[in-house]
Amino acid sequence: DAGVIQSPRHEVTEMGQEVTLRCKPISGHNSLFWYRQTMMRGLELLIYFNNNVPIDDSGMPEDRFSAKMPNASFSTLKIQPSEPRDSAVYFCASSSPGSGGGSSYEQYFGPGTRLTVT
Amino acid sequence: GQNIDQPTEMTATEGAIVQINCTYQTSGFNGLFWYQQHAGEAPTFLSYNVLDGLEEKGRFSSFLSRSKGYSYLLLKELQMKDSASYLCAVNNGATNKLIFGTGTLLAVQP
Repeated sequence: DAGVIQSPRHEVTEMGQEVTLRCKPISGHNSLFWYRQTMMRGLELLIYFNNNVPIDDSGMPEDRFSAKMPNASFSTLKIQPSEPRDSAVYFCASSSPGSGGGSSYEQYFGPGTRLTVT
Repeated sequence: GQNIDQPTEMTATEGAIVQINCTYQTSGFNGLFWYQQHAGEAPTFLSYNVLDGLEEKGRFSSFLSRSKGYSYLLLKELQMKDSASYLCAVNNGATNKLIFGTGTLLAVQP
């Protein structure tokens, strides 16, 4: 299995521009998670989907952030307009109950997208 | 509220044993996870505990006490490649999302 795939791996953009991050979960996994990681706040859950439906978006910082999952194999996280404080590494993870050697809800992380907003 | 506490940094010597502690206060509980994250890389799964006691997997072991809201990760025969951040995470049982601690940065010295 190719694992969770994210693109782009690096993104540098100017303040005010729109940024779209992409994720392909592991085939067969029915839950998808978007995280943001910074030195100051660690790993924060932004939103997660179950069977393509958003379940909990309480971590989405503000209206500038939006996420979609149009089908089981693709999700996007969009920031519009972007600001310098959005600079972070954004991880996508997927899971399925009982995956990973019998441990419930083990999450598999993608390589991340390092976003820099200048 | 939800709270997970871990030491920020630890240092240990190659070949030694190190214990990384994690305490948690969550509204519910359905398992505790440990993840390893090397600099510039994604977190990778190490261990999972849902019942009290010790789970051993090679050089790594993880312990859980649900009554005390406490877990530790034990690393034996430390190697230089074990230098990484170790993240404690709890499934609070309401959904399948995880709440992560801020991680413990472990530096293994020769």
